[in-house]
Amino acid sequence: GAGVSQSPRYKVAKRGQDVALRCDPISGHVSLFWYQQALGQGPEFLTYFQNEAQLDKSGLPSDRFFAERPEGSVSTLKIQRTQQEDSAVYLCASGGLAGINEQFFGPGTRLTVL
Amino acid sequence: AQSVTQLGSHVSVSEGALVLLRCNYSSSVPPYLFWYVQYPNQGLQLLLKYTSAATLVKGINGFEAEFKKSETSFHLTKPSAHMSDAAEYFCAVTLGTGGFKTIFGAGTRLFVKA
Repeated sequence: GAGVSQSPRYKVAKRGQDVALRCDPISGHVSLFWYQQALGQGPEFLTYFQNEAQLDKSGLPSDRFFAERPEGSVSTLKIQRTQQEDSAVYLCASGGLAGINEQFFGPGTRLTVL
Repeated sequence: AQSVTQLGSHVSVSEGALVLLRCNYSSSVPPYLFWYVQYPNQGLQLLLKYTSAATLVKGINGFEAEFKKSETSFHLTKPSAHMSDAAEYFCAVTLGTGGFKTIFGAGTRLFVKA
């Protein structure tokens, strides 16, 4: 079956531009996570959705970062006024009830801010 | 607060040798522990998980890990390395009982020499 997909796979933005990253989770998955992975580092938690409810956004680095999942399926991570330090791979993962269950990861979106 | 420490950012073994990747965690409540593997240009995939059942957990591709509460460790082992095991390995922890925020270690890159 289809896994988690993310688009675009690569995004180059000029500093100050807004970007939107899309995640299509596995159908029926309740949980959806966003992570930021800097080069040579592990994924860092950004935010978590249970269906359409954003239960935790404590990992979002600043108020320039915003995530939504309005219908409990597709999710979008938006970054406003991008900065060079936002350059990273953004990973989306989905799964069953969170915590105990496996997370299924998408391939990521590599964002480069010039 | 939760944290994960992976000792050794790079580990090199010969084909057929024992693989040992170290992971120590800290958690104020009983944790769920995971090992994920990331092959080049692929998303993370689950190797195995500990969810408070058996302390010795067997995963895919011949990997296993042992939860040792007294040592706060969850080291990953494989008796005999194969060239195809070359990848990045991440240890992760979530709080048990309703927790969902997942903390990843920085990762260990495994090299396998012929």
